[in-house]
Amino acid sequence: QQQVKQSPQSLIVQKGGISIINCAYENTAFDYFPWYQQFPGKGPALLIAIRPDVSEKKEGRFTISFNKSAKQFSLHIMDSQPGDSATYFCAATGANNLFFGTGTRLTVIP
Amino acid sequence: ETGVTQTPRHLVMGMTNKKSLKCEQHLGHNAMYWYKQSAKKPLELMFVYSLEERVENNSVPSRFSPECPNSSHLFLHLHTLQPEDSALYLCASSFRRDRLNEKLFFGSGTQLSVL
Repeated sequence: QQQVKQSPQSLIVQKGGISIINCAYENTAFDYFPWYQQFPGKGPALLIAIRPDVSEKKEGRFTISFNKSAKQFSLHIMDSQPGDSATYFCAATGANNLFFGTGTRLTVIP
Repeated sequence: ETGVTQTPRHLVMGMTNKKSLKCEQHLGHNAMYWYKQSAKKPLELMFVYSLEERVENNSVPSRFSPECPNSSHLFLHLHTLQPEDSALYLCASSFRRDRLNEKLFFGSGTQLSVL
């Protein structure tokens, strides 16, 4: 059973637009929710993370929105740029393991 | 660069070969991880070492054998692999003072093809 479900699988956005990627989880013991960004030929890199005691976290153009009651969280990329084109992975962790979503390939068209 | 270096970047091996993947981190971290990345599947945690002691082994087949001689180096020894083992193998590291599995720094991976 997949611990973290991520959608969409792929996303195409115009430059300057907003990119939104959604994730859902089942295990209420999860207490740390990171997002990783992966460029072709590179490993994933931590982009931004949130804990469930807050509903939103913003770092520059990247924002995580967290809905604890719905067990959902999402990544918003404002003013999307071609350099943001990459694969994005959400993840969730509790005491012993880190579970990743299946990834979203984002393409930002100039 | 992330401070985590993996070699080789690409590896092609037959099912009867024995090879090793190497990972080295220059970040002063003391926890290291092996992950498997396959297309359209979530990253799969294989092994975790904390202070050179294996603390996680997620039911990985015995044809994969990890080794952590010190906190800066991690190896994955491969033998008699199957074609379905073809994937990108990622090494990661973190500070043990952070909870395990948080704030991971990944290498660029070894793309493995098993013929």
